[in-house]
Amino acid sequence: DVKVTQSSRYLVKRTGEKVFLECVQDMDHENMFWYRQDPGLGLRLIYFSYDVKMKEKGDIPEGYSVSREKKERFSLILESASTNQTSMYLCASSSYYGATNEKLFFGSGTQLSVL
Amino acid sequence: EDKVVQSPLSLVVHEGDTVTLNCSYEVTNFRSLLWYKQEKKAPTFLFMLTSSGIEKKSGRLSSILDKKELFSILNITATQTGDSAIYLCAVVSQAGTALIFGKGTTLSVSS
Repeated sequence: DVKVTQSSRYLVKRTGEKVFLECVQDMDHENMFWYRQDPGLGLRLIYFSYDVKMKEKGDIPEGYSVSREKKERFSLILESASTNQTSMYLCASSSYYGATNEKLFFGSGTQLSVL
Repeated sequence: EDKVVQSPLSLVVHEGDTVTLNCSYEVTNFRSLLWYKQEKKAPTFLFMLTSSGIEKKSGRLSSILDKKELFSILNITATQTGDSAIYLCAVVSQAGTALIFGKGTTLSVSS
């Protein structure tokens, strides 16, 4: 089974702190994604990456950056956390190839609270 | 702008009821539509639909796509309390592989 692991289940940070959310997948997937999920707003795409060192902005990239130095790892960085970044963050991965390459595999999420 | 609209946003039913969840979409160069179930943690994959009129079935869950009218439905028969979850609909356009999600339908099944 594909496993997507997010390093923290719950995280509490203060405004202005730099925050790193880590995600690792073990299926050699080319594509990796970061979404945030808020009540009433659903899942919104922050950034995604098709390959090592490549990144693409999603719908709401402001206030975030990402890093993909290795194929299995995709990090989301909040340069200076703000209270409006309190949210559930979901990492996902998928294969670039195959008939079902749209199928995303999700991590368990990180609930981030910024105080 | 691509968008996915799910309805209803929330639903409360009794065990044994049948429910129908709706998903309509507007997307450039539609490629596929996916349904996910999310309980407390990671969304888990239910179905992927690419062709109109072909029903996908898994136990008490089934789904069908209408590419002419641009919608999909997810049916759950004989609901159980374990079906309580957020059901997410997402579409993929040929422009890229990033999924566009709807806001989800929160289903609560009471015993």
